Formats: sequence, C-alpha cells, structure tokens
Amino acid sequence: QKEVEQNSGPLSVPEGAIASLNCTYSDRGSQSFFWYRQYSGKSPELIMSIYSNGDKEDGRFTAQLNKASQYVSLLIRDSQPSDSATYLCAVKGAGGSYIPTFGRGTSLIVHP
Amino acid sequence: GAVVSQHPSRVICKSGTSVKIECRSLDFQATTMFWYRQFPKQSLMLMATSNEGSKATYEQGVEKDKFLINHASLTLSTLTVTSAHPEDSSFYICSASSFPEQYFGPGTRLTVT
Repeated sequence: QKEVEQNSGPLSVPEGAIASLNCTYSDRGSQSFFWYRQYSGKSPELIMSIYSNGDKEDGRFTAQLNKASQYVSLLIRDSQPSDSATYLCAVKGAGGSYIPTFGRGTSLIVHP
Repeated sequence: GAVVSQHPSRVICKSGTSVKIECRSLDFQATTMFWYRQFPKQSLMLMATSNEGSKATYEQGVEKDKFLINHASLTLSTLTVTSAHPEDSSFYICSASSFPEQYFGPGTRLTVT
C-alpha cells in the first residue's frame, strides 16, 4: 500500500514568515511529486511539481525533494493571509504510473 | 497550466433521480481522467479512473452501477449518479491527466433532497 503522510496541522505562521510544509512517502520508486493548494470549498490547484532531487523555485514557492529520505517539502516565503489553505502532497510511482497518491493535506493559517 | 472545466458547478436534485456531471479538458487531450469525491473537512477520495474508449476502473467500495462513468473522447468524461440519495450529497471533482501532471476541475456540489 503506497502511503503519503502529511501533518494535518493546522500550521499557523505570522504574515511575512516562511511556512514549511512537509510530506513523506513510502514508495521508494516514486518519480513525480506535486503540491496542490485547496481553498475551503474549492477544488485543488496545482502549484508545484518536482521530479529530481534538490530545490525547485517558482516565485515565493520552493519545492524540495530528497528521494533518499523519501521526503518532499514546500516552502512559502513571505507568507500572506491569502496563502491560508490546505496543501496537498501527491506522489506518482515509477513505470509510467498515472494514478497519484494524495496525502490528507496540511492546513496552513497565515495570520496578520 | 492546463484548464479543466466541470458542469454544472452546483446541482440540487430529488432523491431517486439521476444527475450527470460533465468534465472537459479545454486545452489539452486527456487520455486519463479521474473522479473524486470529497465530504466536508475530509480528504479527497478517488472514486474511479477512466481511460478514453475503455471502461472505468472503480476503487474498492464504489458502486459502478450507481456511479456511471463514460469517457467517450479525449476531452470529455461524464459521471452519472443514478438513483441519487441524500448520502450521495458531496463535492464531486474531476481531474484530467496531462502526463505527468494532473489538473482538477472546479468541482460540482451535489445536494440530494
């Protein structure tokens, strides 16, 4: 059974701080990693994808992947109240597997 | 990113009736589409995976005769909730794969009275 684990939170950070969201996965052969943001009552929105070890930056977002430790994280710099949402980690396996496994999500609250 | 539309966004129906939800990939062809259900404050639950031109693969515990899925083209998949009951009230979200990424539609909120 492939598993993706996230701390449910809530993670509360002050406006302007760095929010750090973490995700671990059980399938060592996983190849593709995604972060989605889901606002309350809305559907998930893809914000980052990462496929190789290291960091990937896109604006205020940085995804970090460490396959040896089976760990992927999302950093949000200069957090804003509008970043308050649930962040879902998703992982796809090897061999062209097209069904992602989602974590249960981490709730982030950015307070002014 | 790629755009996925879903229609209707909200529907209220009476118990015993059927409801059809459409999911379209607007600017890409999606060989694979997914249907999820999400209850309030709960995580996404994958209901089924559909590949264009073939029968859908349902997750364990999802009744295939109740939730009919058709993926007739590379840009359109439909989910029909047959003989809906109040316990089917939920947020239904489709997703389309533009490999390796996956994009979600805006969701359909179904209320069965």
